[in-house]
Amino acid sequence: DIQMTQSPASLSAFVGDRVTITCRASQSIRGYLNWYQQKPGKAPKLLIYAASSLHSGVPSRFSGGGSGTDFTLTISSLQLEDFATYYCQQSYRMWTFGQGTKVEIK
Amino acid sequence: QVQLVESGGGVVQPGRSLRLSCAASGFTFSNYAFHWVRQAPGKGLEWVTFITYDGGNQFYADSVKGRFTISRDDSKNTLYLQMSNLGIEDTAVYYCARESGSGTFDNWFDPWGQGTLVTVSS
Repeated sequence: DIQMTQSPASLSAFVGDRVTITCRASQSIRGYLNWYQQKPGKAPKLLIYAASSLHSGVPSRFSGGGSGTDFTLTISSLQLEDFATYYCQQSYRMWTFGQGTKVEIK
Repeated sequence: QVQLVESGGGVVQPGRSLRLSCAASGFTFSNYAFHWVRQAPGKGLEWVTFITYDGGNQFYADSVKGRFTISRDDSKNTLYLQMSNLGIEDTAVYYCARESGSGTFDNWFDPWGQGTLVTVSS
């Protein structure tokens, strides 16, 4: 099984900060990595697919990168509505999620 | 609009069974594969099971293999999850999700339903 490890588990940031979340796979998953955003009490929403493709309607301040085993999700200028939990997910061998990164207001 | 709506959750005793449904609308149901994903209270997302667009193949997480069965009824635009021999560890919000993308590996989950809560308790 492929394990997905996100870091950090949580972070605190100010509105306007640049934030980067890292996701590491236990083996190469090429570019088959997706990112989701989840707000409390709500279903997850797709943000980024195939490592770096922005899903329709997602603001351009979100970007994704990486390949192989190391991936990043970057929010260029954090907005109030971005405070949420973010999950990475691999689709190379079955499907596995990272444990999540909670982004909180500083 | 494209929508998935889960139902069937509730409180069930350990060892009992429950069937969840996921009603789809706004797109051609029979063209898509689907997943169930669950989230235990305060925890992260756990992939549970998958069914192909034609119902011909299903995959399961080890944690539910032999106890859960995914199925679909294209005439009703509905996805199902039959859960049996439920344990306390199965307590979670269960989400259905449509698989989108272009290939065996190049796929992602969008959209998701709103989720239905299953509580296993005596």
